[in-house]
Amino acid sequence: EAGVTQSPTHLIKTRGQQATLRCSPISGHTSVYWYQQALGLGLQFLLWYDEGEERNRGNFPPRFSGRQFPNYSSELNVNALELEDSALYLCASSGTNRDRGPGAFFGQGTRLTVV
Amino acid sequence: DAKTTQPPSMDCAEGRAANLPCNHSTISGNEYVYWYRQIHSQGPQYIIHGLKNNETNEMASLIITEDRKSSTLILPHATLRDTAVYYCIVRVGRAGGTSYGKLTFGQGTILTVHP
Repeated sequence: EAGVTQSPTHLIKTRGQQATLRCSPISGHTSVYWYQQALGLGLQFLLWYDEGEERNRGNFPPRFSGRQFPNYSSELNVNALELEDSALYLCASSGTNRDRGPGAFFGQGTRLTVV
Repeated sequence: DAKTTQPPSMDCAEGRAANLPCNHSTISGNEYVYWYRQIHSQGPQYIIHGLKNNETNEMASLIITEDRKSSTLILPHATLRDTAVYYCIVRVGRAGGTSYGKLTFGQGTILTVHP
């Protein structure tokens, strides 16, 4: 069974551009979570999508947005990129299994570099 | 989510047990204790979780004190591949509504396993 997959693995953008990151959850999972991990910092919660709806949002500006598609895959969009947006962006997914909760399965991340 | 306190770093000899402590003195009755680890530049990996009883799986054991204000993750026979940052997190269950999907990661404990 495939795990959580993220694309691209690496992304280089210039300041002011837009970045689109993609996440495919594990088959059968309906929830997707996005986290940002800047260099040397811990993981910061960005967004939680469940059944196509945004359920919770972290303390990030509105230029961080996303959506979840009918097949439960998700996009994270970052507009007007700033240098400090350079980070590893991680996606996680979960289903209705109550045992492991929302952090059971993480992807390997997209490394975004803003120059 | 309740705040957790972990030592910034620990060392362990290969083959010995690694005991990683976590303090969560403000934990609420409906909050679970979760442990994850992150090996350099990879996505976090779920290890184990519990509510109030001790838990064991193929990776580790989790010991939660009777008052639930602290816990210890035990890796019974640490290997070099267990070198990672270990995160202790407390979070609400599914009844917690929109807070359910948000994991609040602290700085974690850097565990170094040496030969």
